[in-house]
Amino acid sequence: EVQLLDSGGGLVQPGGSLRLSCAASGFTFSSYAMSWVRQAPGKGLEWVSAVSGSGGSAYYADSVKGRFTMSKDNSKDTVYLEMNSLRVEDTAVYYCAKMGGWYAPFDNWGQGTLVTVSS
Amino acid sequence: EIVITQSPATLSVSPGERATLSCRASQSVSSNLAWYQQKPGQAPRLLIYGASTRATGIPARFSGNGSGTEFTLTISSLQSEDFVVYYCQQYKNWPPWTFGQGTKVEIK
Repeated sequence: EVQLLDSGGGLVQPGGSLRLSCAASGFTFSSYAMSWVRQAPGKGLEWVSAVSGSGGSAYYADSVKGRFTMSKDNSKDTVYLEMNSLRVEDTAVYYCAKMGGWYAPFDNWGQGTLVTVSS
Repeated sequence: EIVITQSPATLSVSPGERATLSCRASQSVSSNLAWYQQKPGQAPRLLIYGASTRATGIPARFSGNGSGTEFTLTISSLQSEDFVVYYCQQYKNWPPWTFGQGTKVEIK
């Protein structure tokens, strides 16, 4: 059974940093791309970033480009999202999601971790 | 960037009746479209991919249709647990992978 466990959220001041983690199990982690998708309070879903199975390629939404970095550690079956220069508008629940491939849906999701950016 | 538009924003339906949700893409996504269900306080769950293929464990009352720019999700007979929010998402042209704004199905 695929399991994704998101962690690392919390309260941070504007301009601060935070690192999210997503520990995976139940599948061959190195074979699959992964993404982060966020959801602001009461709002819809927004894709944030994606990384290839090997971890060698990463993509970002324009709203976070230059501030967020996604990485993948296949030795630990874990993906990370390093978030810097955080803004109030980054406040959201962040979900990691397994991708069936680049041209595939998000087939499994973590439970989410809440990031609150506030002074 | 492909813009995804869902309609209506809220759909009021009686239990046991049929619900039809719409999703429109700003340009063709072929059949590279998925539907997700999200219950309050939970992560989204994949319902349909490839526009019409049910994901593992999804009941047969959920069906998807369409290709190109016009898609529908039909719930044939609404059960109490189906009154939640549904999102469609394209994975044809990326980045970014884009979602619609969601349709909330509420009890009439």
